[in-house]
Amino acid sequence: DTAVSQTPKYLVTQMGNDKSIKCEQNLGHDTMYWYKQDSKKFLKIMFSYNNKELIINETVPNRFSPKSPDKAHLNLHINSLELGDSAVYFCASSHSWGLAGDRTDTQYFGPGTRLTVL
Amino acid sequence: AQSVTQLDSQVPVFEEAPVELRCNYSSSVSVYLFWYVQYPNQGLQLLLKYLSGSTLVKGINGFEAEFNKSQTSFHLRKPSVHISDTAEYFCAVWGYALNFGKGTSLLVTP
Repeated sequence: DTAVSQTPKYLVTQMGNDKSIKCEQNLGHDTMYWYKQDSKKFLKIMFSYNNKELIINETVPNRFSPKSPDKAHLNLHINSLELGDSAVYFCASSHSWGLAGDRTDTQYFGPGTRLTVL
Repeated sequence: AQSVTQLDSQVPVFEEAPVELRCNYSSSVSVYLFWYVQYPNQGLQLLLKYLSGSTLVKGINGFEAEFNKSQTSFHLRKPSVHISDTAEYFCAVWGYALNFGKGTSLLVTP
């Protein structure tokens, strides 16, 4: 019954490898996000998709490529992993993008994927 | 761009004492503010949010926050904390996505 789920929970890999993190939401939301939380716990938006279309693409290396096969899924693929990519990656979803009137657009977060690059 | 500053990186407090976690936001015409909590090794959970209307916002787990436009603040308060409130607390402002502060670590001890 998990609203936003991510797999895997932990990912340990070598520098230079390519890896993917999967995210699924069963809330019927239109918008999904990827956030990166660094070792100092600072959270920063990376990407956002609304109805499978990319709407936010922050200054992220192009080694990071999000893919949204449908509204319920947003996966994150990372090529040529570097030491600095080590972080916790959070997926989130919301009813829609932005705020419309008083409608709540709370973002619901997944449990996170701890990526360690050796 | 909209931003928030959390003034304290760590706040130690004894159980059953009151607590205030401070957050200031960058000035703007309209501002939408949020407080999220992150328990150890978990994702983030919304505590409360201010979109408009009453400046005193009540959230889950007995937390409340007051939107103060003149001081550009959105401080989080709880009159009596429990050990289980030990967590990381993030203030956030809506820009075109959530822009988070650097977090405040609340440590509640017996």
